[in-house]
Amino acid sequence: AQSVTQLDSHVSVSEGTPVLLRCNYSSSYSPSLFWYVQHPNKGLQLLLKYTSAATLVKGINGFEAEFKKSETSFHLTKPSAHMSDAAEYFCVVLNAGNNRKLIWGLGTSLAVNP
Amino acid sequence: EAEVAQSPRYKITEKSQAVAFWCDPISGHATLYWYRQILGQGPELLVQFQDESVVDDSQLPKDRFSAERLKGVDSTLKIQPAELGDSAMYLCASSPDRVAETQYFGPGTRLLVL
Repeated sequence: AQSVTQLDSHVSVSEGTPVLLRCNYSSSYSPSLFWYVQHPNKGLQLLLKYTSAATLVKGINGFEAEFKKSETSFHLTKPSAHMSDAAEYFCVVLNAGNNRKLIWGLGTSLAVNP
Repeated sequence: EAEVAQSPRYKITEKSQAVAFWCDPISGHATLYWYRQILGQGPELLVQFQDESVVDDSQLPKDRFSAERLKGVDSTLKIQPAELGDSAMYLCASSPDRVAETQYFGPGTRLLVL
């Protein structure tokens, strides 16, 4: 069965510094992986997705993620944090097989300090 | 830009009462999902519709929860009777495809059961 593990429940960075949110996955198949963001009082929004094309995936708002099969990782990065990036981030894997549904990590809360 | 609509945004109820949530997906999206998100956790799929048919309700507590999408457009999720442990965010999402890769989320309904 597919699963994801977000290695940090909370990350705090200063504005203008790099962001790294870590995610490891477990999958018997070639996985489809996603990062979603949830701002307070707003709906979940897709940041980016990996579906077996290029291993470096660029998303919205300057975020990108790299699929590393050898490390079973899909870490989310951004070169320079902005105050508006403060939110909850979820790493997600698409469950393969007949029952195709999203399997969610527990989330990483990102705080951006001025 | 089209969005998924949900109402109400907030609901406070007493245990043993009935509550209902409504979702209107993006026009033309055949697939509709209801999720429950407990504070500090990722969303958990409750039920998935393809048009008016239930595709997956394996995690729906059927003794108290029900969901319908009679005309294959908007949907209602009901809880009767509500229990304290039902306090959570209830999210609706829709997708233009059947494989769940790209889901668009509504703002959610936050339920508090007293």
